[in-house]
Amino acid sequence: AQSVTQLDSQVPVFEEAPVELRCNYSSSVSVYLFWYVQYPNQGLQLLLKYLSGSTLVKGINGFEAEFNKSQTSFHLRKPSVHISDTAEYFCAVGGYQKVTFGTGTKLQVIP
Amino acid sequence: DAGVIQSPRHEVTEMGQEVTLRCKPISGHDYLFWYRQTMMRGLELLIYFNNNVPIDDSGMPEDRFSAKMPNASFSTLKIQPSEPRDSAVYFCASRAPDSNYGYTFGSGTRLTVV
Repeated sequence: AQSVTQLDSQVPVFEEAPVELRCNYSSSVSVYLFWYVQYPNQGLQLLLKYLSGSTLVKGINGFEAEFNKSQTSFHLRKPSVHISDTAEYFCAVGGYQKVTFGTGTKLQVIP
Repeated sequence: DAGVIQSPRHEVTEMGQEVTLRCKPISGHDYLFWYRQTMMRGLELLIYFNNNVPIDDSGMPEDRFSAKMPNASFSTLKIQPSEPRDSAVYFCASRAPDSNYGYTFGSGTRLTVV
C-alpha cells in the first residue's frame, strides 16, 4: 500500500519570498515520487519527478524537490515565488501501475 | 500532440438523467485513468485501464458508474442515473508505457447535477 500526506492545505507567501510545500509518503515498495501543479480550471501538470539517483530533483518553473528516504519526505521548494505560481500543488507516489495523490496544498502568492 | 482530450468541458444535467463523459488519450499511451475531484474528497481514482482492459475499478463509487475503453483512442465514463452528489470535476489521464513519464491529464469535465 502507498499513501501521501500533504501537511498544509494552504500556504500564503509574499511574492519573491521562498516557499516550501511539505509532503510525506508511505510505501512498502520502491517508489516513484511526483509533484503536480493545477492552475484554476485546468488539469494537473507534471512539475517534477523522482525515480532514482540524485535526491535533488529540478523541475519546471524554478521548482525543485528533495527526496529524503530516512524521513520519507519529498518537499517542494522554490527560492523566490511569483504571482503566477498561485495554484494548487499535489504530491503523488506511484508504483509500477497507479499513482496515489495527496490532498493538495493551495499556494497563495501575495503581492 | 494535442494532449489528452476530454469532452464536454462542462455538463449540467438533471437528477436521474444519464451522463456520458468522453476521453481521448495521447496516442501511444497504454494506461488510461479516470479521476474525480471534489472539495471534500480531493482526487479519487475511479478506474484505470491498461491496453484497453480494465485493471482496477475498486474506486468506482457504485453500480451507477461504468467505464469502457473500446479501443486505444477512446474511453467513456457513464453515470446512470445521475445524482446531485455526483457533481464534481472528472479528469482523464494517460501514461506512456514507461512509467517514468508520469501522467498527462486532460482539462477535465465539470459535471453539475441539479
